[in-house]
Amino acid sequence: AQTVTQSQPEMSVQEAETVTLSCTYDTSESDYYLFWYKQPPSRQMILVIRQEAYKQQNATENRFSVNFQKAAKSFSLKISDSQLGDAAMYFCAYRRAGYSTLTFGKGTMLLVSP
Amino acid sequence: DTAVSQTPKYLVTQMGNDKSIKCEQNLGHDTMYWYKQDSKKFLKIMFSYNNKELIINETVPNRFSPKSPDKAHLNLHINSLELGDSAVYFCASSRQGTRHTEAFFGQGTRLTVV
Repeated sequence: AQTVTQSQPEMSVQEAETVTLSCTYDTSESDYYLFWYKQPPSRQMILVIRQEAYKQQNATENRFSVNFQKAAKSFSLKISDSQLGDAAMYFCAYRRAGYSTLTFGKGTMLLVSP
Repeated sequence: DTAVSQTPKYLVTQMGNDKSIKCEQNLGHDTMYWYKQDSKKFLKIMFSYNNKELIINETVPNRFSPKSPDKAHLNLHINSLELGDSAVYFCASSRQGTRHTEAFFGQGTRLTVV
């Protein structure tokens, strides 16, 4: 079974600084997708970024980028120029190719201070 | 327009009652899901429906029954509610058959059993 591990229950960053959230996963598959979802206090689950395992290039979305290390099964999220609105719970998720359901990590709470 | 909408957003009920949570998506997706987020924020798949057929039931008690009248709707019925059922329930949808499908989530329903 696939597992997703987020080893940082909580992280703190100051506005305008950069922070990296860690995620590792365990799978025997070679074709899969990885995601970072953001859950603010509003409870809404918002997709932040997506990475296809067959792509070597790391995904980027504006201030958000990932460091995808397939051999190490590592998928970290870097948030640059942090903003107060980035404060939220961040979930790393895995989806096997050809399957539709997501396996989530336990989440990392990101605190952003002025 | 809300892509995935759930009703109600909050539900407080007594033990032993039967309740339903409704979900509708207007994205034209063919797969819908129910996820449960427990008090520790851990998200786990409960059910997945593809074209109105149940394709996953992850060891959920049979007091929980999903019902899909059509591709755009997936309701969750819960019988004989227990204290341990208190959680946030998320509906989601995605499109099968493409490499770039991603899951869109509703805003969640916070169920409190007293």
